[in-house]
Amino acid sequence: GAVVSQHPSWVICKSGTSVKIECRSLDFQATTMFWYRQFPKQSLMLMATSNEGSKATYEQGVEKDKFLINHASLTLSTLTVTSAHPEDSSFYICSPHGTGAYGYTFGSGTRLTVV
Amino acid sequence: QKEVEQDPGPLSVPEGAIVSLNCTYSNSAFQYFMWYRQYSRKGPELLMYTYSSGNKEDGRFTAQVDKSSKYISLFIRDSQPSDSATYLCAMTASGAGSYQLTFGKGTKLSVIP
Repeated sequence: GAVVSQHPSWVICKSGTSVKIECRSLDFQATTMFWYRQFPKQSLMLMATSNEGSKATYEQGVEKDKFLINHASLTLSTLTVTSAHPEDSSFYICSPHGTGAYGYTFGSGTRLTVV
Repeated sequence: QKEVEQDPGPLSVPEGAIVSLNCTYSNSAFQYFMWYRQYSRKGPELLMYTYSSGNKEDGRFTAQVDKSSKYISLFIRDSQPSDSATYLCAMTASGAGSYQLTFGKGTKLSVIP
């Protein structure tokens, strides 16, 4: 169990545009979704936590209007980076958690480059 | 003092060596401990998941937890070049809703053929 699918694996976008990242739990129901960001040679930093059907809780310093999280179903959550800027270039990783998920599994990550 | 301390390395060993990776932590509320392997530009892959103090073995990997010393280790036997990656320790407190993981910085390991 605990198969996670994250798309796209990489994306390049122009400054000012928006990018949507999808995270799916394929064989379990994700009641909670964690979104992380990882800069080069750094560890994972939690951005936000969302529970299915509820608004996300953002970590200090993470702009909720910039990083929109939708967790409308138990198998799909999306992170939209709005009005992206070069400093948003990073590696974004989802981690769904729920019944049937052993441990804490992660998506394969999305490398975002804003030019 | 950070909650989780992990030597970032880099650590370079010859093929076949035994690798020892370690983390210390300060928060006694942490009860669940994990080790992840992360290849470049990939998401972390769960290697070991432990709860109790003591050893847990899975193939070439052994996870060791010493809650009294707030110290965890991952041993890799007969290391292979394919083990070259960054290894992250992670931990979380017990209790409902306490699912947030706290990560170490990661140790970059290179296994030289």
